[in-house]
Amino acid sequence: QKEVEQNSGPLSVPEGAIASLNCTYSDRVSQSFFWYRQYSGKSPELIMSIYSNGDKEDGRFTAQLNKASQYVSLLIRDSQPSDSATYLCAVNGETDSWGKLQFGAGTQVVVTP
Amino acid sequence: ETGVTQTPRHLVMGMTNKKSLKCEQHLGHNAMYWYKQSAKKPLELMFVYNFKEQTENNSVPSRFSPECPNSSHLFLHLHTLQPEDSALYLCASSQGYNEQFFGPGTRLTVL
Repeated sequence: QKEVEQNSGPLSVPEGAIASLNCTYSDRVSQSFFWYRQYSGKSPELIMSIYSNGDKEDGRFTAQLNKASQYVSLLIRDSQPSDSATYLCAVNGETDSWGKLQFGAGTQVVVTP
Repeated sequence: ETGVTQTPRHLVMGMTNKKSLKCEQHLGHNAMYWYKQSAKKPLELMFVYNFKEQTENNSVPSRFSPECPNSSHLFLHLHTLQPEDSALYLCASSQGYNEQFFGPGTRLTVL
């Protein structure tokens, strides 16, 4: 059973601080990794994608991938109340599992003013 | 319209009803997906269509019947559902193996 694991939280973060979210996955051949943000009652919104080991930065977001250790993380710098949401980690396997994203259950982030 | 649209946004139906969910993507993508999201559970992939051909049926009960007439439109036909089928149904699209973009979802309640 291929799995994607996330800490469910809630992760409480003071405004202006860094939020650090972690995700581990079991399928060693996973190729593509995504972070989605989901506000309560809304659909998931893609915020980051990462395909190679290392860091990828986009504005206040940084995704970090370590395939050897099978984890991917998301850092949110200068956290704002509008960042309060559930963050979903998604992992895509090898090419013969086309389109089959495996999602984690999500980490709830609460940014406190 | 832009992105991925879904109708209706909310649906309440009895167990003997037949209804359909509609999804349309305006992104020029070649793949479309149906997901189910129940409370406190991870997103569950239901169906995958690649160039309007079904490539994945993730052990979904036959009371859910997908239809993909072209690469821009996707339907989910519902009949004789159970109360445990109440959930948020999400449509997504992608270009190849790339990022999937979601529609706003249909909140389904089965009485």
